[in-house]
Amino acid sequence: DQQVKQNSPSLSVQEGRISILNCDYTNSMFDYFLWYKKYPAEGPTFLISISSIKDKNEDGRFTVFLNKSAKHLSLHIVPSQPGDSAVYFCAASSGTYKYIFGTGTRLKVLA
Amino acid sequence: DGGITQSPKYLFRKEGQNVTLSCEQNLNHDAMYWYRQDPGQGLRLIYYSQIVNDFQKGDIAEGYSVSREKKESFPLTVTSAQKNPTAFYLCATRLGGGRQPQHFGDGTRLSIL
Repeated sequence: DQQVKQNSPSLSVQEGRISILNCDYTNSMFDYFLWYKKYPAEGPTFLISISSIKDKNEDGRFTVFLNKSAKHLSLHIVPSQPGDSAVYFCAASSGTYKYIFGTGTRLKVLA
Repeated sequence: DGGITQSPKYLFRKEGQNVTLSCEQNLNHDAMYWYRQDPGQGLRLIYYSQIVNDFQKGDIAEGYSVSREKKESFPLTVTSAQKNPTAFYLCATRLGGGRQPQHFGDGTRLSIL
């Protein structure tokens, strides 16, 4: 039973446009959510997080939105750059030591 | 230079052999984790440790073992009981409890000869 789902395996976006990556979760106990970026043969790099008391968090070109009633979060990248091409994972935690990861979305930013 | 060091980057195992993957950190983080990544799948938790001399099984611990004798080190042994060990293995750390991000090493790719 997958508690964190990324239903789009891949996404292509033109350089300069907005990239929107989506993530759905089923466990209502999750209260902390994260996005990671991963290049091939490297470890994931932490991008941005949000706690359940907020519905939006921004860091530069990256914004995460949380819709608790829909159990949905999204990552917006504006403007998208070729260096953003990577696999993006969302993850969720219920405040314990365990994190549950989605299966990832491969973003390709076209120059 | 602070960080998480995983070694080796590539590892080959013969059938029936145990192999040990190294993970060392100098971030002074309390918690350490091992994940496995397979193509098209997310990161699956093998083991985690919150403090020295203590560790807990994750979701796919069968065929693996760990130790946490030092805060800085959390080696993972892939035993011969793990029937499908070919994967990308990632070590992560986290500072304390609460809502903190995990930080990852660059991984070890294990292949069967």
